[in-house]
Amino acid sequence: EVQLVESGGGLVQPGGSLRLSCAASGFTFSSYWMSWVRQAPGKGLEWVANIKQDGSEKYYVDSVKGRFTISRDNAKNSLYLQMNSLRAEDTAVYYCAREGYYGDYHDAFDIWGQGTMVTVSS
Amino acid sequence: DIQMTQSPSSLSASVGDRVTITCRASQSISSYLNWYQQKPGKAPKLLIYAASSLQSGVPSRFSGSGSGTDFTLTISSLQPEDFATYYCQQSYSTLLFTFGPGTKVDIK
Repeated sequence: EVQLVESGGGLVQPGGSLRLSCAASGFTFSSYWMSWVRQAPGKGLEWVANIKQDGSEKYYVDSVKGRFTISRDNAKNSLYLQMNSLRAEDTAVYYCAREGYYGDYHDAFDIWGQGTMVTVSS
Repeated sequence: DIQMTQSPSSLSASVGDRVTITCRASQSISSYLNWYQQKPGKAPKLLIYAASSLQSGVPSRFSGSGSGTDFTLTISSLQPEDFATYYCQQSYSTLLFTFGPGTKVDIK
């Protein structure tokens, strides 16, 4: 079964750090771009960051640049998000998502994890 | 950055109704537009990719159309399991994916 399972969420104080993990199974992890997408309570979806198959390219939404780092370990079929200098506005459910490729440069998030909640509060 | 808008923000409909949701991009994105369904407490699910292609396993009552800046998601005959929030997402700018604000479909 194709599956993504996130872990590492929790309660952290403003200015603190947290590392999220996403374990992939059921597909060739090293063949796909991977993303993190978040959803603040009661709000819509926001793409956070993505990483190329070999980790050589990484992109971030402006609001997390310089604070968050995406990485992957293809030997462990795992995706990570290191979050530093956390703010209240980072409070959200964080999903990892696979970027399926459909030809002609069409990408879509075709597989999602169940999400892990990050709460930034004192 | 490419901004995405959706209309309406919410709608009430009955089982069997035909439902249409509109998504607009702030600049032309060709057909680089995807649609997702999200139910409360669950992860989003891909319905449509490349504006009009049905994801494997998605019922044929869902369809997508459009190109450039204007897109629509249509549910031909609303079923009880279709009550959810629907999001569009542009994949034209792969350095910065953006989602629409969502359209909540609930029971009339």
